[in-house]
Amino acid sequence: DQQVKQNSPSLSVQEGRISILNCDYTNSMFDYFLWYKKYPAEGPTFLISISSIKDKNEDGRFTVFLNKSAKHLSLHIVPSQPGDSAVYFCAASDPQRTGANSKLTFGKGITLSVRP
Amino acid sequence: NAGVMQNPRHLVRRRGQEARLRCSPMKGHSHVYWYRQLPEEGLKFMVYLQKENIIDESGMPKERFSAEFPKEGPSILRIQQVVRGDSAAYFCASSPPAGGGNEQFFGPGTRLTVL
Repeated sequence: DQQVKQNSPSLSVQEGRISILNCDYTNSMFDYFLWYKKYPAEGPTFLISISSIKDKNEDGRFTVFLNKSAKHLSLHIVPSQPGDSAVYFCAASDPQRTGANSKLTFGKGITLSVRP
Repeated sequence: NAGVMQNPRHLVRRRGQEARLRCSPMKGHSHVYWYRQLPEEGLKFMVYLQKENIIDESGMPKERFSAEFPKEGPSILRIQQVVRGDSAAYFCASSPPAGGGNEQFFGPGTRLTVL
């Protein structure tokens, strides 16, 4: 049962344009969401997060939007750069389950390619 | 401030052997998590530990797999009698004590190949 879904396996955008990566979830107990970036043969790198009490969080070129009623979040990267080419994972946690720190449930990832 | 460290980076074992994967969390972090990634899949949670305690092992297979995080030294993920299906990338993550967000910081992973 895939509780975090990234339905598009890949995305290709032109350098300088906006990249929009989508993520849907089914578990209404999730209340903290994170995006990670991963290069081949490396571990995931934390990018940005959002709590369910917010609908937007921005950090430089990265903005995450959360729509709780639709159980949907998206990561916007603008402007996109060739170095952004990587696999992006959406993750969610349910801190109520084991306290403030708890396991992350990941989607399968989206491969972003930014064309020069 | 060194990040999460894992060793070995690559591990080759024959079927039936044991695999030991080590993880040293970031300085000041007292929570350790292990995840497994199969090819073309996302990361799957295995176990969450604090020093000398297993907090959540709901993702750990019931047999052959065990984890520990002793008072001194790294966290160890141990796989006994490995099978080909255990071939995967195993990632360790750590986080600071509760109070902040739930950001987890990952190590570079150990790639286990079972021949």
